Amino acid sequence: DAGITQSPRHKVTETGTPVTLRCHQTENHRYMYWYRQDPGHGLRLIHYSYGVKDTDKGEVSDGYSVSRSKTEDFLLTLESATSSQTSVYFCAISDRRETQYFGPGTRLLVL
Amino acid sequence: GQQLNQSPQSMFIQEGEDVSMNCTSSSIFNTWLWYKQEPGEGPVLLIALYKAGELTSNGRLTAQFGITRKDSFLNISASIPSDVGIYFCAGQLRTGNQFYFGTGTSLTVIP
Repeated sequence: DAGITQSPRHKVTETGTPVTLRCHQTENHRYMYWYRQDPGHGLRLIHYSYGVKDTDKGEVSDGYSVSRSKTEDFLLTLESATSSQTSVYFCAISDRRETQYFGPGTRLLVL
Repeated sequence: GQQLNQSPQSMFIQEGEDVSMNCTSSSIFNTWLWYKQEPGEGPVLLIALYKAGELTSNGRLTAQFGITRKDSFLNISASIPSDVGIYFCAGQLRTGNQFYFGTGTSLTVIP
């Protein structure tokens, strides 16, 4: 299994508060991704990174920002959490663009 | 974003039966991936396909990259109870880093 951890694994927060989710990898892979998973929508890409300090937006990036200051860490920040951001968030990594390995996920509830 | 149509949405089968599911797109993809997800966990990569017409096996699982490059198929032979889960397809265009996911096929195996 790819060495990916996500923290926290569960979080409950209130509307309007900032939230940061962390993805940590031990594989030294170049590419890192953040997805959200919602019923009826499958997995949708929020942001991805193709190297340290190199990031790009995915299809559902509004309300989210990311940072990657080290190869092993990719942070996802909800600048001001809303109830529509209640979801399960998955990080994925890959050493080449043609594949991805997923972490265990973070369940976020925004009240 | 790209729409991937995955069917069927759900399947209820008897243990020992074979299973077939597919994924179609209006776009031509260069890569197809198949994942399995169990409750509370992240998707696990089952099979990766990189060439039109390619047929790849992983134990009882066989996946094919459709010749039109707009579809892919996953077959599971002689299903067992531990095959239960949600199976996702994912496709990647020739350019760009993003993968697009289907909405999943939920498989239930009745002992």
